[in-house]
Amino acid sequence: GAVVSQHPSWVICKSGTSVKIECRSLDFQATTMFWYRQFPKQSLMLMATSNEGSKATYEQGVEKDKFLINHASLTLSTLTVTSAHPEDSSFYICSAPPGGGWAGYTFGSGTRLTVV
Amino acid sequence: DAKTTQPNSMESNEEEPVHLPCNHSTISGTDYIHWYRQLPSQGPEYVIHGLTSNVNNRMASLAIAEDRKSSTLILHRATLRDAAVYYCILIYGQGGKLIFGQGTELSVKP
Repeated sequence: GAVVSQHPSWVICKSGTSVKIECRSLDFQATTMFWYRQFPKQSLMLMATSNEGSKATYEQGVEKDKFLINHASLTLSTLTVTSAHPEDSSFYICSAPPGGGWAGYTFGSGTRLTVV
Repeated sequence: DAKTTQPNSMESNEEEPVHLPCNHSTISGTDYIHWYRQLPSQGPEYVIHGLTSNVNNRMASLAIAEDRKSSTLILHRATLRDAAVYYCILIYGQGGKLIFGQGTELSVKP
């Protein structure tokens, strides 16, 4: 089936620094990628939708200047958390919709971000 | 997006069948019913999906009510590895946004 590779799996950074998270579709082309954030014991919250070749669409309440999303190619989407603060510590997950005959959405393995 | 309602938690014994219910009374004719599960510290995993007819795959079965206002995910023989949070999600058409509810946390007892 389709695979989305997400890196890094975990990262610790200092307050004020920026962190980039990558999601690559390994065996299919993903023109769209969804980005989620998940706090402990909570469900996934959709942050934004990235589209190859155009600007990302952000959900209400998500700061687009803080969470920079780039969809540089049909196989790569990135999320950069800029000027990270401890409250940005969370589990970030990407997802690609079905394509090429695969029925379900494919998720990355997630990135655990800890800001100290 | 139409909403779904699931029990917060369920328990099952290993090797027994599990029926996970989902209510979606405001479903529209073009909404697909998707099920995903999430193991701790992992990204969600696709389980099964359907539109109107019951569906079977190697992981589970999906029973959809005739009026489509509810569905049931059936795990035929629960294993310890099936312990996860199961999410029932409605998606408009193919490729739309996946909006997660709270899901059902399934625990499996040996």
